[in-house]
Order: sequence, then C-alpha cells, then structure tokens
Amino acid sequence: DSGVTQTPKHLITATGQRVTLRCSPRSGDLSVYWYQQSLDQGLQFLIQYYNGEERAKGNILERFSAQQFPDLHSELNLSSLELGDSALYFCASSPWTGPLNTEAFFGQGTRLTVV
Amino acid sequence: SQQGEEDPQALSIQEGENATMNCSYKTSINNLQWYRQNSGRGLVHLILIRSNEREKHSGRLRVTLDTSKKSSSLLITASRAADTASYFCATDKGTDKLIFGTGTRLQVFP
Repeated sequence: DSGVTQTPKHLITATGQRVTLRCSPRSGDLSVYWYQQSLDQGLQFLIQYYNGEERAKGNILERFSAQQFPDLHSELNLSSLELGDSALYFCASSPWTGPLNTEAFFGQGTRLTVV
Repeated sequence: SQQGEEDPQALSIQEGENATMNCSYKTSINNLQWYRQNSGRGLVHLILIRSNEREKHSGRLRVTLDTSKKSSSLLITASRAADTASYFCATDKGTDKLIFGTGTRLQVFP
C-alpha cells in the first residue's frame, strides 16, 4: 500500500460527459502528479501541484483541469469526454519538489471507460 | 512528450537468468528513477540514481547511469517469475516534472 488513495477505482461514462477523479496523497506529501496511461502505453504526464499551486504542466488537454485543495487532496476534472479519453489515470505524491530528489508514490489508478 | 525511451520494448527470459533494460533520455537531468508496474496496477519505485552517481545497487537490482551518453541501465539478477512486469525509467528533465519512458515489458518464465 503506497498510502496514495484514488477514487473511484472504475468509472464508466458516456461521451460528452464530465467526471471528477480524486486523489488523496500520502500524509505529509505536498506534491501531487497526475498521469494518463492508455492501453499498453507509457505514462503521459498531465500536471503537477505543489502545496496548492500548479507547478508543472505536461500534455494536458484544455478539456481537462485539476486543482489541489488546502488539505492537499487533488481532483482531476475531465469534461466533454471522448472515446479516446478512456485510460488509466494515476495520481502520485512526493514529499517535496525541485530539484526532484525523492521517489513518487503512486495510487492504484482510476480506470475510465468512455462509451 | 516522452523523455525516456526504454530498450528493448519487450524481453522474455527464463527464471534464474539476468535481465537488462536500457533507458535513453534527451535532456540534462538531476536524477533518474526506475519503476515497476504490474499489469494494470500502480507503479512502484525501485531505485533512484542521482546525476553525480554512476552505479547503484538494491538487492538484485543494479542501476548504472552514463550522463555523457544520456543513458541508464537496469539489471535484474537471478530473475524470478514474480519479476514479470513492465519497467519504466523516469527523469526530471532538470525541472520538477517527472517524465516516464515508454517501458520494457519483462516476462520471466518459470
């Protein structure tokens, strides 16, 4: 158990809909990362937050947004969903940021299926 | 965009054999990490090597880093069926981002 909790574990929704994925980082970790992993693909970095502030941005679509709340949990919002958004979405947390010097702890992911 | 490229994409070996995976990256880094992912599960951190280190060991794992060639290798000695998984390298690109490579899928046959 990494200590990172993601909910829900599975999500099935229709095209055009909006969903929210939730991540609770390990206790004490200030940094949260979001990744997308499509079938048999590598992990695409989406976005990183540190202590409530956006820290780094990757290949995140404009239809997607994220935030980190004062209690450090984070949410990833996906809107106007398309079939191609079906993927595993991972959250990871890390104790601190820049220069990255510690490991990231991953949640078990949310499997999103868009039908 | 992917920073690291693992090689080979897939590797099949027998139990007891050694498995070597390579990772190449493009920009300067502070650190390079290796992670393991069992099918459909979250990634698990294996080892971190800093840019000023050349080799690091952890149990049956040995990681090397050659910053002049922008490459790293992960060696798993005396492999076991339980080592079957995908292995990813991850780099920070000298920033706060943690960027993963495309992964090597390792299959260890009993």
